[in-house]
Amino acid sequence: NAGVTQTPKFRVLKTGQSMTLLCAQDMNHEYMYWYRQDPGMGLRLIHYSVGEGTTAKGEVPDGYNVSRLKKQNFLLGLESAAPSQTSVYFCASSRTVYQPQHFGDGTRLSIL
Amino acid sequence: AQTVTQSQPEMSVQEAETVTLSCTYDTSESDYYLFWYKQPPSRQMILVIRQEAYKQQNATENRFSVNFQKAAKSFSLKISDSQLGDAAMYFCAYRGATNKLIFGTGTLLAVQP
Repeated sequence: NAGVTQTPKFRVLKTGQSMTLLCAQDMNHEYMYWYRQDPGMGLRLIHYSVGEGTTAKGEVPDGYNVSRLKKQNFLLGLESAAPSQTSVYFCASSRTVYQPQHFGDGTRLSIL
Repeated sequence: AQTVTQSQPEMSVQEAETVTLSCTYDTSESDYYLFWYKQPPSRQMILVIRQEAYKQQNATENRFSVNFQKAAKSFSLKISDSQLGDAAMYFCAYRGATNKLIFGTGTLLAVQP
């Protein structure tokens, strides 16, 4: 079982570059989430989706955009990367709001 | 707004001993869920245990159990018979009506052989 798969696992960007992180889940989950994890802090929610075609802002949405064109995929975009966006990014999914979230292995993103 | 506080940045336990990790939270909601996640050096986020607020009975999963004190807004994790593989960062998390998981800052657990 693949579960939640994040692509890529590691990336280095220059300030101002753009990129997209891909999250794919094969569990037919309705809910999907993007978090960032910074040293000394817990995970913080960036954006989330409650179903195909829907997205909503989380705790720290500025500088990021997301899309959920297909139920199994949740994309996180950085239009103009900034050093403050250097972080580890986690994607998660859950069947319903009451079910536990399943996490991917994370993407380490460094912006120089 | 809901908050989750883990006041122990680091803890240490001897192999085979018992350790308790603390977590407190603040909320005005009556219906919510609480979770403990484990994050080993591999960076995976692994669900350890969860508790529904409406259940008075404390959740248990093998060597892991919680002490849920709803009135005190406390949700501690007890690890019995600690093993080397238990060494990890442990995060307490809250989820209420907003569907958003709110994490604490984590407790780094070291297990001494």
